[in-house]
Amino acid sequence: GNSVTQMEGPVTLSEEAFLTINCTYTATGYPSLFWYVQYPGEGLQLLLKATKADDKGSNKGFEATYRKETTSFHLEKGSVQVSDSAVYFCALSVNSGNTPLVFGKGTRLSVIA
Amino acid sequence: GAGVSQSPSNKVTEKGKDVELRCDPISGHTALYWYRQSLGQGLEFLIYFQGNSAPDKSGLPSDRFSAERTGGSVSTLTIQRTQQEDSAVYLCASSPVGSAVEQFFGPGTRLTVL
Repeated sequence: GNSVTQMEGPVTLSEEAFLTINCTYTATGYPSLFWYVQYPGEGLQLLLKATKADDKGSNKGFEATYRKETTSFHLEKGSVQVSDSAVYFCALSVNSGNTPLVFGKGTRLSVIA
Repeated sequence: GAGVSQSPSNKVTEKGKDVELRCDPISGHTALYWYRQSLGQGLEFLIYFQGNSAPDKSGLPSDRFSAERTGGSVSTLTIQRTQQEDSAVYLCASSPVGSAVEQFFGPGTRLTVL
């Protein structure tokens, strides 16, 4: 079946630290990969995505590269801010057209000043 | 423009009662999804509607769960004879037609079953 595994949190970092949140996947097809973010008190929103191998998704200083050989889509940011404190979800969808997302369990990030 | 809205935002019910949760998707979005977010389980897919096609119900955890989508717009998720393990945040999302398109999530309904 299809599944996503991401590192368990919580992750606590100081401001300006480097962030990596690991995500690996198992998929029967050729998936598209996503990172969604849930800020405190807000709904889930798309952070970035990649639809084919070696694609890099980027947004708000975050990046993730679709690595087919390692079935990974790790999220990175070079210098985190307090405002990045949130829960981050790695997700995939398979098949063409609209399909439901398969989510990882989420990683809570807390950034302290 | 208006995003996905859900009502109620919070629902407290007694074990054994039925509940209805409502989702208003973004106008023009043909795909509508229900997910459940609970502690320890993360986000689980429940049911998915795409246009006029039969819904994909493969994620529904039991036959106590059902959903309708009327007129290709508003959707209602119904849980019959609620159990304590149904306590969770129920999220609705919608998206336009296409591959790997963004799903837009509503704020969720927090359901507590006493």
